[in-house]
Amino acid sequence: RKEVEQDPGPFNVPEGATVAFNCTYSNSASQSFFWYRQDCRKEPKLLMSVYSSGNEDGRFTAQLNRASQYISLLIRDSKLSDSATYLCVVNRGNTGFQKLVFGTGTRLLVSP
Amino acid sequence: DTGVSQNPRHKITKRGQNVTFRCDPISEHNRLYWYRQTLGQGPEFLTYFQNEAQLEKSRLLSDRFSAERPKGSFSTLEIQRTEQGDSAMYLCASSSTGARSPLHFGNGTRLTVT
Repeated sequence: RKEVEQDPGPFNVPEGATVAFNCTYSNSASQSFFWYRQDCRKEPKLLMSVYSSGNEDGRFTAQLNRASQYISLLIRDSKLSDSATYLCVVNRGNTGFQKLVFGTGTRLLVSP
Repeated sequence: DTGVSQNPRHKITKRGQNVTFRCDPISEHNRLYWYRQTLGQGPEFLTYFQNEAQLEKSRLLSDRFSAERPKGSFSTLEIQRTEQGDSAMYLCASSSTGARSPLHFGNGTRLTVT
């Protein structure tokens, strides 16, 4: 079983739709959590950190449930430019060092 | 451009040859990471430097792999006696100090071993 599991998709949605991605992680010692975005043949880029109380950044909302070891990302009012792979990431590092464990990613395709 | 720079962008080599990749992190970042990504997978951690000290290595980093960061600035990743299974994208990232300091990734070096 992979340490971070995501549905690989692809999720095909029309512009303006709301889409949600889920992720589970197996290591309860994980320290912090992130969503990264990766465009085709490009490097991953940090989309947002995920906080225990949940957090929002514009059209993006992230939630964390430590008891269930579950992370989610909600994208509202999808744009064509949101088409990308979304990587769920947990940090198993200590003393501040980030040892990031990435999921395989969920591919999102937003169509006109 | 003050981002993370990696070169070469692409490297094609024959099995058994040695290759070396270079990473220039963001100048004020003291932490440097190497990751490897294969098609359809997320990046996998290889190794981590704080300044010039290599503080952690993954079991993925066999004895054919060696990474250095001699002056705490740029880093090199060398693969000796390459195998076809080494074909992947090798990503370098850097960050400043702090548990939540985001990692900034370079464009990567795509290695193809024929």
